[in-house]
Amino acid sequence: DIVMTQSPDSLAVSLGERATINCKSSQNVLDSSSNKNFLGWYQQKPGQPPKLLINWSSTRESGVPDRFSGSGSGTDFTLTISSLQAEDVAVYYCQQYYSTPWTFGQGTKVEIK
Amino acid sequence: QVQLVQSGAEVKKPGASVTVSCKTSGYNFANYGISWVRQAPGQGLEWMGWISTYNGNTNYAQRLRGRVTMTTDTSTSTAYMDLRNLRSDDTAVYYCARVGGAMDVWGQGTTVTVSS
Repeated sequence: DIVMTQSPDSLAVSLGERATINCKSSQNVLDSSSNKNFLGWYQQKPGQPPKLLINWSSTRESGVPDRFSGSGSGTDFTLTISSLQAEDVAVYYCQQYYSTPWTFGQGTKVEIK
Repeated sequence: QVQLVQSGAEVKKPGASVTVSCKTSGYNFANYGISWVRQAPGQGLEWMGWISTYNGNTNYAQRLRGRVTMTTDTSTSTAYMDLRNLRSDDTAVYYCARVGGAMDVWGQGTTVTVSS
C-alpha cells in the first residue's frame, strides 16, 4: 500500500498569511504515460463531507478560490493557501489514486493564529 | 447540478448488516465510477472501495473484503454499499463520491452506529 504522510499535523497562521501543507507518498504517483500525478487535495470542515480542491496534483477545481494551489511531482507535494481567510479553517487531506487501495494522509488541521 | 444524495442514518446491532444508498443526478451515471469512504468519529478518511458504473467491476479495501459489497442500479442512477457482520468499530460516517480522477463530488454522508 502507498503510505501518505502529511506535515505538519496542525498549523496556526495569521489572517492574510501563507499556509503550506506538505504531503509525501511512499511510492511514486506519477503516471509516466499521461505525465499526470494521481494526487488530490481535499478540505473538510466540521460536519461536512470533504471537498475536492485540487485534482491531478495541481488542477484547481471549478469554483475553488485561486489562493489555493497545488504543486509537486512524484512523491513530494504541497498545498499552499497564499492568503489565509477565516473560512479556510478546516482539516486538509491529500490522497493518492495511483494504485489501490487509494490512501489518504492523516490530515492537517489549519487554524487562525 | 451534480448531486449525490445518501440514505438516512442507521443504528444497528453487532452482527447485523446495513445498506447505504447513494442516488446521483445531474450527470451521466455510466461515465464516472463511485467510491465509498468512511470516517470514524474524530478520525481521518478511510477508502472502502470503488465500483465501475459502466460494467460493475469492483475493487475493495483488503480489510473489508468478504464483508462489503458495492452495487449499482443504472436504471435509477443509484449506488449501494452493503456491509455485513457489523462490529462496533464500523461506527462511522459513510460517504459515496463520484470518481473523476480524484473524488470530485461527495454525498452528504450517512451515519451508521453499531451498538448493542
